[in-house]
Amino acid sequence: NAGVTQTPKFQVLKTGQSMTLQCAQDMNHNSMYWYRQDPGMGLRLIYYSASEGTTDKGEVPNGYNVSRLNKREFSLRLESAAPSQTSVYFCASSVSLAADTQYFGPGTRLTVL
Amino acid sequence: QKEVEQDPGPLSVPEGAIVSLNCTYSNSAFQYFMWYRQYSRKGPELLMYTYSSGNKEDGRFTAQVDKSSKYISLFIRDSQPSDSATYLCAMSGGGGNKLTFGTGTQLKVEL
Repeated sequence: NAGVTQTPKFQVLKTGQSMTLQCAQDMNHNSMYWYRQDPGMGLRLIYYSASEGTTDKGEVPNGYNVSRLNKREFSLRLESAAPSQTSVYFCASSVSLAADTQYFGPGTRLTVL
Repeated sequence: QKEVEQDPGPLSVPEGAIVSLNCTYSNSAFQYFMWYRQYSRKGPELLMYTYSSGNKEDGRFTAQVDKSSKYISLFIRDSQPSDSATYLCAMSGGGGNKLTFGTGTQLKVEL
């Protein structure tokens, strides 16, 4: 049982490049989330998906897009990366939005030069 | 002012010490409270989950919630070097409301 997996683990981009962060969960959870974690700022919600086919903005959505590909997979896309998007990105999932226990993936460390 | 305040530390204690980690919050609607542990370069993992006020114990860990003071605590008894990590508090109002996280307290337990 892998839980929540994320790819890639590390990535370095140049300003203006695009990339997609992948996330998958095998716990049959309905809800999935993307966070970024920065020093002194804690975990901030970028986007979330309450269930397959729905997505909503979180606290810091600007510069990002998401796709809930199916129940298992939730991807985060940076269309034109900026140095301010240098961060550690975590994907999480939960049984539902009402179930507050979220399970996190190992994270993707992204550096934008 | 942030909705959830948490001292970032670092907090350094000797092995075997009792550790007290705390968060304060301002939103009186919060009623679900969690503590996550995050090892270096890893994702957060759920450690404790409590609803409303009161205490919850799990092995060496005790979570305490005082809603009247808007204050939550995590106590670690007989701390071990393996407890060295960042501890994040998180809370929500439930019913689909999103989690609000503290910034985390870095703990180091020394031999």
